Amino acid sequence: GAVVSQHPSRVICKSGTSVKIECRSLDFQATTMFWYRQFPKQSLMLMATSNEGSKATYEQGVEKDKFLINHASLTLSTLTVTSAHPEDSSFYICSARDWGAPYEQYFGPGTRLTVT
Amino acid sequence: GNSVTQMEGPVTLSEEAFLTINCTYTATGYPSLFWYVQYPGEGLQLLLKATKADDKGSNKGFEATYRKETTSFHLEKGSVQVSDSAVYFCALSDKSGGGADGLTFGKGTHLIIQP
Repeated sequence: GAVVSQHPSRVICKSGTSVKIECRSLDFQATTMFWYRQFPKQSLMLMATSNEGSKATYEQGVEKDKFLINHASLTLSTLTVTSAHPEDSSFYICSARDWGAPYEQYFGPGTRLTVT
Repeated sequence: GNSVTQMEGPVTLSEEAFLTINCTYTATGYPSLFWYVQYPGEGLQLLLKATKADDKGSNKGFEATYRKETTSFHLEKGSVQVSDSAVYFCALSDKSGGGADGLTFGKGTHLIIQP
């Protein structure tokens, strides 16, 4: 149980285009989902917290107009990287919190974004 | 702000050796502490957790004790196996901080176990 999927697993796009990444909780309801970014050999950095039915809360330094987050249902959150640039190339990871187990987050396998 | 510091890797050990990966933290309030493991090509998995001082988390032979006086949560295992080779992340969740309660991670420690 407690499986989180991400799609796509990797994507290559051209500079200036937008890319949408989906995060789904497959067997539980997630009132809260989190989006992280991981640079090579670095830690995961929290980008934003996504609550179902409300606006996302962004961490300091994260551009909310560039990283659009939508959490329209209890099993799906999306991250859209708008007008992507090479510096946005990174590994994006989502996690979901099962409302019945508040101390635990279940992580997706991540999405590798490469902007050329 | 919150921060987690863990020993840099890679850490290379022989099979059946004793493992310690150090982790210290800085946080406001009373955080929960976690160890996550990332096997090659896979997503992060929760290894163990502790939600209050003096709690000991344990799983798969790994242990870590929440030490408030030293702000530490060191990961230990008495006898490692080749299959333990992975990247280990120490993390905290500051429940009392308000706002987002996403995790604050350390940089990760790459553990390599040689047969």
